Amino acid sequence: GALVYQYPRRTICKSGTSMRMECQAVGFQATSVAWYRQSPQKTFELIALSTVNSAIKYEQNFTQEKFPISHPNLSFSSMTVLNAYLEDRGLYLCGARAQVNYAEQFFGPGTRLTVL
Amino acid sequence: GDSVTQTEGLVTLTEGLPVMLNCTYQTIYSNPFLFWYVQHLNESPRLLLKSFTDNKRTEHQGFHATLHKSSSSFHLQKSSAQLSDSALYYCALSPDSNYQLIWGSGTKLIIKP
Repeated sequence: GALVYQYPRRTICKSGTSMRMECQAVGFQATSVAWYRQSPQKTFELIALSTVNSAIKYEQNFTQEKFPISHPNLSFSSMTVLNAYLEDRGLYLCGARAQVNYAEQFFGPGTRLTVL
Repeated sequence: GDSVTQTEGLVTLTEGLPVMLNCTYQTIYSNPFLFWYVQHLNESPRLLLKSFTDNKRTEHQGFHATLHKSSSSFHLQKSSAQLSDSALYYCALSPDSNYQLIWGSGTKLIIKP
């Protein structure tokens, strides 16, 4: 079956430092990977969408300078939170799709970021 | 723009009573995909139901929902609530198969004995 792994599951970083998280698709080829953030007591916000052979598209309020993403192949993506501050805390989800024209996403367990 | 509305932020029910969580959406696209995700405490969201067929009931794990394009709704229902149903429920929209998910604000469901 299709599985998505995320690493690490939980992480704590000091304010102003950076933190990298990874997303691995197993059992299918992740032609597109979306990164979402769920801030405390809030719903999920799309950070960016990465599609193979296309430029990474960031949503309003999120930038490549703050959340650089790498999607080097069809099974792996990583995102870094640069210069993390308190407002960056939350659950970061990776959602991967197997085909471009396929709505359902497979989610990883998330990386929970705490900023001290 | 595209959006999802979940009117109830919190629903508290007694075990055994029926559950109905509201979800309406807005999109200019004529063939949207609608989803219900359930998120338990400290876990990631898990897909509960999905649909893109108008007026067709979809069921899973005792829950059911029907996409009604005429009213832009995809309400989640269950005939008898269980204590283990307590969780956060998110309705989500993919306006087109190429789009990412647009999430509703979520409904916290608490089932009491």
